[in-house]
Amino acid sequence: TQLLEQSPQFLSIQEGENLTVYCNSSSVFSSLQWYRQEPGEGPVLLVTVVTGGEVKKLKRLTFQFGDARKDSSLHITAAQPGDTGLYLCAGDNAGGTSYGKLTFGQGTILTVHP
Amino acid sequence: DTGVSQNPRHKITKRGQNVTFRCDPISEHNRLYWYRQTLGQGPEFLTYFQNEAQLEKSRLLSDRFSAERPKGSFSTLEIQRTEQGDSAMYLCASSWGHTQGTQYFGPGTRLLVL
Repeated sequence: TQLLEQSPQFLSIQEGENLTVYCNSSSVFSSLQWYRQEPGEGPVLLVTVVTGGEVKKLKRLTFQFGDARKDSSLHITAAQPGDTGLYLCAGDNAGGTSYGKLTFGQGTILTVHP
Repeated sequence: DTGVSQNPRHKITKRGQNVTFRCDPISEHNRLYWYRQTLGQGPEFLTYFQNEAQLEKSRLLSDRFSAERPKGSFSTLEIQRTEQGDSAMYLCASSWGHTQGTQYFGPGTRLLVL
């Protein structure tokens, strides 16, 4: 059973469309991080959210941490081909068991067509 | 800031051989983590160090795996008697702090066991 459920697993859209990726869990996390990963490379940090209800914006990307710190979403406005990649959410300290031990979702493979 | 570096980037070995990977964290970071990522999955936690102390090991880390961080700086991950199932991307990350700390990942070492 995946501790952090990420959806959808695959997303194929046209340039200019909006999209949302979701991460859900029954566990409470101390913080949640979003990463983007290119093939053959390590994950690159996009944002860390810490406070329940927190919203952070990074240009066309909007990240939200759920009030109960169990879920998060990533919204991309007017997607561009350069947004193509694997998006990963990762929660820290699931259920208060261990700080620093990140639990990752399965990832969302996003393809933005010109 | 040169970021997290990992060597080698790629390793091909025959079943039964031993392999060793190296990770150099961001210089001021006191925590260092190892993860393993297989195709189509998010990274899975293996182990982490705070300074030179190894504080937690996952059940994924069998007796054939050993990790060290002798001087609290770089770390090595050794796999003895490799098996085909060990083929994966091995990722290293580092962070600063004793509780919450955003993790920054290296480019990974891709291992293929023939």
